[in-house]
Amino acid sequence: KQEVTQIPAALSVPEGENLVLNCSFTDSAIYNLQWFRQDPGKGLTSLLLIQSSQREQTSGRLNASLDKSSGRSTLYIAASQPGDSATYLCAVRREGGSYIPTFGRGTSLIVHP
Amino acid sequence: SQTIHQWPATLVQPVGSPLSLECTVEGTSNPNLYWYRQAAGRGLQLLFYSVGIGQISSEVPQNLSASRPQDRQFILSSKKLLLSDSGFYLCAWSVRGYRSINTGELFFGEGSRLTVL
Repeated sequence: KQEVTQIPAALSVPEGENLVLNCSFTDSAIYNLQWFRQDPGKGLTSLLLIQSSQREQTSGRLNASLDKSSGRSTLYIAASQPGDSATYLCAVRREGGSYIPTFGRGTSLIVHP
Repeated sequence: SQTIHQWPATLVQPVGSPLSLECTVEGTSNPNLYWYRQAAGRGLQLLFYSVGIGQISSEVPQNLSASRPQDRQFILSSKKLLLSDSGFYLCAWSVRGYRSINTGELFFGEGSRLTVL
């Protein structure tokens, strides 16, 4: 059974820092890995999707990498801003016909001015 | 473009009352549909998923049920709410199937906050 772990559970940093959020998974037979952002009281917004054949994806100040062999993905946030404050979740979808992604518990990020 | 709508956004219901949350997807056809619950301080819990009209799979035993009366409509229901049903309910969709053009990306609605008193 796939297990997804996100470390750290919470993070508080000053504005301007470069951040790395971690996501690890136990079964490397994945179809894709997706990073989400969730603001308080809101739904999940898709940030980046990495297919199993890809190593990384970039969108603006965000860069997500994938290392299937070690069961890890990292979300890199450059030059953090207070508006980046949110909970970040990763989800892994298994290859071979499963429609069900497995979610991590998320990292709660606070960027203070 | 595709959009997903959930309603109501907020609901306060007494214990023992019925529940109906509705989710619709626009701009796509034959989607996979999902209902998740997010309780305070806990992770996302998959409740139901559907790969087609009338095809519902339940992930956890509970007093909730789901129906898919139309291709892009997914409804979460209960006949009698419990206090433990309080939480944030999220509907999601993804493209069905494993075609090469299907990235498997998952998209969420804005959520429905349910408080059972």
